[in-house]
Amino acid sequence: KQEVTQIPAALSVPEGENLVLNCSFTDSAIYNLQWFRQDPGKGLTSLLLIQSSQREQTSGRLNASLDKSSGRSTLYIAASQPGDSATYLCAVNDNAGNMLTFGGGTRLMVKP
Amino acid sequence: DAGVIQSPRHEVTEMGQEVTLRCKPISGHNSLFWYRQTMMRGLELLIYFNNNVPIDDSGMPEDRFSAKMPNASFSTLKIQPSEPRDSAVYFCASSPQGSGELFFGEGSRLTVL
Repeated sequence: KQEVTQIPAALSVPEGENLVLNCSFTDSAIYNLQWFRQDPGKGLTSLLLIQSSQREQTSGRLNASLDKSSGRSTLYIAASQPGDSATYLCAVNDNAGNMLTFGGGTRLMVKP
Repeated sequence: DAGVIQSPRHEVTEMGQEVTLRCKPISGHNSLFWYRQTMMRGLELLIYFNNNVPIDDSGMPEDRFSAKMPNASFSTLKIQPSEPRDSAVYFCASSPQGSGELFFGEGSRLTVL
């Protein structure tokens, strides 16, 4: 059974800092990996989707990498802003179809 | 383009009552998912449908939970009878065929007293 772990569970940084969020998964036979953002009381917004054949994806200040062999993904946020404060979740899509397994999330606070 | 639409956004009910949550997926998406989110257990997949057919309902907690998808544009998740431990945020998500990318609704926050 796939297990997804995110470290750290919470992170507080000053505005402008570059930061890295970590995601690890136990079964490397994945279809893709997706990073989401969740604001309090809201749904999940998809940030980046990395297919199993890809190494990284970039969108603006966000860069996500994938290392299938080691079962790891990182989300890099450059020049963090207070508006980046949210919970970030990674989810792994297994080879059997569209079933996502979620990590517990990293709660990010960017202080002005 | 409207995203995934869920209703109601908030529901407060008493133990033993029936609860029905509704979802309209994004038009053209052929997969639909129901997730539950709690502080203790995070996001858990309850059930998912492909082309209106339930594929995996192994995440449904017990017989009190049931889900239907009568057509491509509508799904319901029903809890009967509801219990306080069912209190959670229930999310619906949809995905276009073969993409593996999920799009979530805003969720339905259920409180069972």
